[in-house]
Order: sequence, then C-alpha cells, then structure tokens
Amino acid sequence: KQEVTQIPAALSVPEGENLVLNCSFTDSAIYNLQWFRQDPGKGLTSLLLIQSSQREQTSGRLNASLDKSSGRSTLYIAASQPGDSATYLCAVRPLLYNNNDMRFGAGTRLTVKP
Amino acid sequence: ETGVTQTPRHLVMGMTNKKSLKCEQHLGHNAMYWYKQSAKKPLELMFVYSLEERVENNSVPSRFSPECPNSSHLFLHLHTLQPEDSALYLCASSQERGNYGYTFGSGTRLTVV
Repeated sequence: KQEVTQIPAALSVPEGENLVLNCSFTDSAIYNLQWFRQDPGKGLTSLLLIQSSQREQTSGRLNASLDKSSGRSTLYIAASQPGDSATYLCAVRPLLYNNNDMRFGAGTRLTVKP
Repeated sequence: ETGVTQTPRHLVMGMTNKKSLKCEQHLGHNAMYWYKQSAKKPLELMFVYSLEERVENNSVPSRFSPECPNSSHLFLHLHTLQPEDSALYLCASSQERGNYGYTFGSGTRLTVV
C-alpha cells in the first residue's frame, strides 16, 4: 500500500530564506508526483507535476525534484515571501491497475514571517 | 478559475435537511473525485467516478450519496448528516489513467448544526 509522508509538519521561516519541503513515498511504482498549495479553507492549487521519467520541474521560484528509486521528492522555494504562507501537499499517483488514485501526504504548514 | 467549479462555496444545514453539492469541470477529464477534509486531518477520498461509473466507495456512510450524470458533472447528495460531517468537501478531476495530475475545485465548506 502506497503511503506518503511529509516532513516537517510545520515550518516557520523569516522572509527571504530559501527552504526545502520533503516528501517520501513507500512504493516507487508511480505515474507521477504532484505538489499542491492550499490556503486556509480553500481548495488545492497545483504547483508542479513531475512525471516518473523526470528528475525535476521548475516554475518561477519553485523547483521540485523527484528521486523515484529512493521514494523521495523535495520542493525548493527560493527567496520566500509572506505570500508563500500556506499548506503544501504532495501526492503520488500509483501504477496499480485497478486503483491508481492519488495518495496524499498530510502536508507541511509553512509560515513566512515578514 | 481552476477549471473545476464547486457550488455552493459555503453551506449550513440542519441534521434533518437534504442538500446537494455540485461540481462541474470543463477540462475534458473522464474521472471525478469527492474528497473530505476535516480540521487538522489529511484528505480522505470518498468517491471515485471513472467514465461516469462509480469505481470506489471508501466505506462512506449512506447519508452521502454521489451522482455522476455525465463526465462533466458530479453531485454529492446529503441527508440526515451529523455534526461530525462538518468539513471542507473538495471535488477533483483527472484523466482516468496515465500521466495526468489532478485539478481541484475551491471546495464547499459544510457546517452541520
């Protein structure tokens, strides 16, 4: 059974810092891994989607890496801003034939202090 | 807009009421999902519809009843709910298989009184 773990559960940093969020998964047989952002009481906004054949994806100040063999992904946020404060979730889509619904981690709650 | 629209955004209902949540996507996806997100808990998958057929029901109580009349619309019918059902209900869509990610709606914040 695929399990997704995110560490740390919460993180508080001063504005301007570069930071790394971690995601690990137990089964490397995946189609892809997706990072989401969720603001309080709102839906999930997709940030980056990495296919299993890819090593990383970049969008602006965000860079996500994928090491499928070790079951790890990182989300790197450069020059953090207070507007980056949110919960960040990672999810993997398993290769299982009958049940390839995405599996989600519990998220990392990020606070960027001005 | 994300491409997935959920209505209403907020809903307050009594335990004896009947209401419905609506989800609509115009992304050409063929799979749609209902998730429940309670305070300080991970996302819980409730229902999956693939090609308009329900393919998964994660032991959800019968007071929640999904309906998928076509590939663009998904409903969640609610009746005789309990206060512990208060949560954020999220709809998502995707392609059924393959290298596609999920697109989520903004959610419906449900409060049962």
